This record gives sequence, structure tokens and C-alpha cells, in this order.
Amino acid sequence: EVQLVESGGGLVQPGGSLRLSCAASGFTVSSNYMSWVRQAPGKGLEWVSVIYSGGSTYYADSVKGRFTISRDNSKNTLYLQMNSLRAEDTAVYYCARLRGSSHFDYWGQGTLVTVSS
Amino acid sequence: SYELTQPLSVSVALGQTARITCGGNNIGSKNVHWYQQKPGQAPVLVIYRDSNRPSGIPERFSGSNSGNTATLTISRAQAGDEADYYCQVWDSSTWVFGGGTKLTVL
Repeated sequence: EVQLVESGGGLVQPGGSLRLSCAASGFTVSSNYMSWVRQAPGKGLEWVSVIYSGGSTYYADSVKGRFTISRDNSKNTLYLQMNSLRAEDTAVYYCARLRGSSHFDYWGQGTLVTVSS
Repeated sequence: SYELTQPLSVSVALGQTARITCGGNNIGSKNVHWYQQKPGQAPVLVIYRDSNRPSGIPERFSGSNSGNTATLTISRAQAGDEADYYCQVWDSSTWVFGGGTKLTVL
């Protein structure tokens, strides 16, 4: 059974950093395209970042230069390092598996990041 | 950047058919995917590549895509179908979501 479990969210001050983790089971992270999608309170879904099975990474313009996606193959875990956080980064962050470059077929339950002083 | 437009809300009577649209420039040339999200829960894929249903999704859910509009159709709407629905496409190494439509079952 495919499972994705995020962790690492919390309250952080503007300008601070946070690292999110997504532990996967039931499949191999490194053999798949993996992504982060976020949802601000009361708002819609926004794609954040992707890492391809070959290791290439891409980012939404809103986080480029501040966020870094990575994975640990030995732990079968996906990460999102978030630096220089802003109030507008406040959201529930979901990790999701991509089917090729197409659609998100499995999602985690999400972890809430709140950026506030 | 590519944009997807959805109505903010759609209402449907219990047992009737709901149609949720997703507009985009020549969206018919792209693969469109649909997600259902209930309050406090993660999104769930209900239609992929325009008209395909993942296993476990009822046949009441169907999709179509042509021209500038993709449509998610929910037949025989049930109270449990009440949720937010999002369309999504892939465009130039970015994944784009529509703004979401709140479906109310009356």
C-alpha cells in the first residue's frame, strides 16, 4: 500500500527556515517523480516543486531561490528545505507522487507551516 | 504562464447531474486531471488524462475535454460528493491548478 507521511511543519518567524520531510512506503521515491504542493488557508492548490527520478529539480517562481527539494534514497524520504520564509508561505504542504509528468496519484495528509512573528 | 478558470461554486440537486468546467487556452490539446478535496483532507485524484478513472472511483464520475473547456461530470450526485474540485494540467515543467469549485449538493 502506498503511503506518504509528512512531518516538520510548525510556527516559524519571517526570514526563518524549516525543513519538511515526507516518508514514503509501498514504492521507491527515487524511481518516481515526487512533488510538493501547498494550500494557503482557505485557498486553492499551488504546485511548489518537483524532483524527477533522474534528479532534475524545478520550482515555482514564488519559491525559486528560497526552497530546495531533495531526497534520501536510503531512507526513501523526500525533503523540502525552506529558507527566507515569508508570511505568504503559510500553508499546508502536501507531498505527492507524480505519474510521469502528468498527474498526482498519491498525496500525503499534509503538514502545516505558519510563518508569523 | 498558463491559467485555468473554474467557477467558484456549482450547486446540484440530490440525484441529479453536476457539471464542473475548467477553462484554458486550447485546453483540449492538454491532458486534464481532476481532484476532489473534502474539508480537512488531502486531495484525491478522481479523473486523469481527461476521462480516465482511478481504481475505486465510482463510474458516476466522468470527464471530457475539447476546445477551450474541460468538464468534470458527476452523475446521480450524492451528499458525499460535496467537496472542492480542482482541475490540473502540466505546462512547460510546471503543474497548474485551477482555482477550485465548491460543489454543493442540495
